[in-house]
Amino acid sequence: GNSVTQMEGPVTLSEEAFLTINCTYTATGYPSLFWYVQYPGEGLQLLLKATKADDKGSNKGFEATYRKETTSFHLEKGSVQVSDSAVYFCALRDSGYSTLTFGKGTMLLVSP
Amino acid sequence: NAGVTQTPKFQVLKTGQSMTLQCAQDMNHNSMYWYRQDPGMGLRLIYYSASEGTTDKGEVPNGYNVSRLNKREFSLRLESAAPSQTSVYFCASSEAGDYTDTQYFGPGTRLTVL
Repeated sequence: GNSVTQMEGPVTLSEEAFLTINCTYTATGYPSLFWYVQYPGEGLQLLLKATKADDKGSNKGFEATYRKETTSFHLEKGSVQVSDSAVYFCALRDSGYSTLTFGKGTMLLVSP
Repeated sequence: NAGVTQTPKFQVLKTGQSMTLQCAQDMNHNSMYWYRQDPGMGLRLIYYSASEGTTDKGEVPNGYNVSRLNKREFSLRLESAAPSQTSVYFCASSEAGDYTDTQYFGPGTRLTVL
């Protein structure tokens, strides 16, 4: 079946540090890959997505590249801000399925 | 354009009580979903509705029922609440069944079962 594995958190960084959150996946078909972000007390919102191999999704300074050869979709940002503190979820949706499969989430804490 | 709305935001139940969580979307989306979020577990799909008039079980459907009332509304019912159903519940919607679709989430309902 499908699965998503994320690095466990919390990830604690100082403002302006470089961020990487690792995400690897297992899928039976050709999935689309997503990063969702959840700010405290809120629902999830899409951060970025990539729908085919070698695509790069980007938004708000965050980037992730769909690597089929390593089955990975790592999230990166060059300089984090305190306002980036949130929980980040990697997810996939396989071409043969109607629903999303989520990773367990990675909490990011950024201090001034 | 409110997006996805959920009611109530908070609820406390006693074991054995019943309740219905309401969800509505104003984006004319065809597909709707119910998830639960538990610490360290990510989000798990309870039920989904690929289109009006259809519903299907997700990963954790036991103890829940759903109704796709119309294209806008998708409700989740707990017939006899149990402490194991203490969780945060999210409703989501997407335009169609295409696997590239983005799902849009509501703000959540925090449910405690005593």
